[in-house]
Amino acid sequence: DPKIIQKPKYLVAVTGSEKILICEQYLGHNAMYWYRQSAKKPLEFMFSYSYQKLMDNQTASSRFQPQSSKKNHLDLQITALKPDDSATYFCASSAPFRDWGVNYAEQFFGPGTRLTVL
Amino acid sequence: GQQVQQSPASLVLQEGENAELQCNFSSTATQLQWFYQSPGGSLVSLLSNPSGTKHTGRLTSTTVTKERRSSLHISSSQTTDSGTYLCAIDPGTQVVGQLTFGRGTRLQVYA
Repeated sequence: DPKIIQKPKYLVAVTGSEKILICEQYLGHNAMYWYRQSAKKPLEFMFSYSYQKLMDNQTASSRFQPQSSKKNHLDLQITALKPDDSATYFCASSAPFRDWGVNYAEQFFGPGTRLTVL
Repeated sequence: GQQVQQSPASLVLQEGENAELQCNFSSTATQLQWFYQSPGGSLVSLLSNPSGTKHTGRLTSTTVTKERRSSLHISSSQTTDSGTYLCAIDPGTQVVGQLTFGRGTRLQVYA
């Protein structure tokens, strides 16, 4: 059974519309993340959440808003979609462990949602 | 910011040959992970190895933290090993991990 579920697998949207990408993890982790992979760039970190609180945001645009309704859910709402938003969006999770200020957490990734904006 | 350089960019092997993939990073890393990305796009964590040597199956990773480099050795390659191998670093400066990825090594193994 998949431990990290992302829905939908594929998504086509028109410019200017709004979409929500769903992520649920069943690994018992308390940290969740969003990453983006576009054709021309390596995988890029977007957000991190710990215990349903935003820890880090590396996304310049406010059009990207993570939403955590439950501790094992971290959805991503994207508004006013643009063709440049076309990418595969990956959700990940980990069980952060801090020891002397060092994070040893291993992250596990979902299958991704491939978004195409026309 | 943290940079991760992977080499070679691509590698073609005949089945049974060994592969050596390199990862160099620009600053200290408290976490280092190697991932496999299938041609279909899914990401699988292969090894978590911030320092020292780790083995799993046909994979061996060696990370020399002081020299800011890591390697992934794949022994007796198989056609099913074909895909992209990604190295990712967590500099450990964040409260919760933020991985920085390299561009990957694309491996093609033919029969």
